[in-house]
Amino acid sequence: DVKVTQSSRYLVKRTGEKVFLECVQDMDHENMFWYRQDPGLGLRLIYFSYDVKMKEKGDIPEGYSVSREKKERFSLILESASTNQTSMYLCASRSIGSYEQYFGPGTRLTVT
Amino acid sequence: AQSVAQPEDQVNVAEGNPLTVKCTYSVSGNPYLFWYVQYPNRGLQFLLKYITGDNLVKGSYGFEAEFNKSQTSFHLKKPSALVSDSALYFCAVDTGGFKTIFGAGTRLFVKA
Repeated sequence: DVKVTQSSRYLVKRTGEKVFLECVQDMDHENMFWYRQDPGLGLRLIYFSYDVKMKEKGDIPEGYSVSREKKERFSLILESASTNQTSMYLCASRSIGSYEQYFGPGTRLTVT
Repeated sequence: AQSVAQPEDQVNVAEGNPLTVKCTYSVSGNPYLFWYVQYPNRGLQFLLKYITGDNLVKGSYGFEAEFNKSQTSFHLKKPSALVSDSALYFCAVDTGGFKTIFGAGTRLFVKA
């Protein structure tokens, strides 16, 4: 059974803190994605990685960075958290040649 | 600009009745179309996809969707709704690259 896990389900951080969100997949997928989900806006792509150490900006990369040192792990970093980054963060992975994505359970981040 | 529209924020249906969740898209080229479902406090789960071939595609949990190229629509359907189908449904479009465009989501409420 395919599995994508995320390091935390709920996270509360203060403004200005550096925040790390981790995602691990056990399916040997090449592609990995970070989205944020906000009511009425659907999912918006922050960053994606098509292979180890490779990363590309998505539609809303400002204020975020990513790291992919190993194939199974994709980390999202908020360099200096702000209140407008309060959101649900979803990680996903996908195999080359396939089109559907497999999602983790999400991390609900609150920045106060 | 490429976009996906889910015109209804919420769909209400009685258990046992047929359900339809609407999706229209505006993309260049030949789209790959998807439906995902999100249950409370969970990540998204893949339901079904259209890549090519038969316009009617069948997916998980008895759901199906019909691709209509002339109307640029990909409506999700189920002949007989269950209370357990109550969830948030997302339509998504992929044009073959790394970016998937998601609709804003439609909340389905099935009443017993």
